[in-house]
Amino acid sequence: DAGITQSPRHKVTETGTPVTLRCHQTENHRYMYWYRQDPGHGLRLIHYSYGVKDTDKGEVSDGYSVSRSKTEDFLLTLESATSSQTSVYFCAISEADRGGGNQPQHFGDGTRLSIL
Amino acid sequence: ILNVEQSPQSLHVQEGDSTNFTCSFPSSNFYALHWYRWETAKSPEALFVMTLNGDEKKKGRISATLNTKEGYSYLYIKGSQPEDSATYLCAFRPNAGNNRKLIWGLGTSLAVNP
Repeated sequence: DAGITQSPRHKVTETGTPVTLRCHQTENHRYMYWYRQDPGHGLRLIHYSYGVKDTDKGEVSDGYSVSRSKTEDFLLTLESATSSQTSVYFCAISEADRGGGNQPQHFGDGTRLSIL
Repeated sequence: ILNVEQSPQSLHVQEGDSTNFTCSFPSSNFYALHWYRWETAKSPEALFVMTLNGDEKKKGRISATLNTKEGYSYLYIKGSQPEDSATYLCAFRPNAGNNRKLIWGLGTSLAVNP
């Protein structure tokens, strides 16, 4: 299995508090992603990173920020959490393409975040 | 707006049945099509990444085909087993280079009854 660790695995917090989720990889993969998964919506991309300090927005980026100061860590921050951000958050990683092929994404175990 | 559709939404089969489901995606600006299996209480696991029109991939009893000209991919499971019960997701990648965004379908939920 790809070496991806998400922390914390579960968190309950109150509306208005800041929350940071961490994704740590030991695979030295270039690309890292944050998704949220909600019933009826499937996986939705929040932000992704294509290198250290290089990030881009996904389809549901409002209310979230990210940082990647080193290859192995990708942080997702909710500056002021809202109840609509209650979700399961998945981190994923992928390698750079090789020989014209396309590399799959490998997922962490998820973080269940509840905002009351 | 790029959209990926999967059908059926859910499927119940008996152990030993063979089954298949469909992923439809935009036929223009194609770069890759991914299939993942997502078991309950686990995280998605990559099955196949397909890039060439007419490509066929196989992993055990699971196989997939790709038609980029008409914008669809089929996933087949031969002789379904209870451990095949999962949600099967497809995801379409429209761009090469650093734009690594995948557009995900909502999945087909498969339940295999023993």
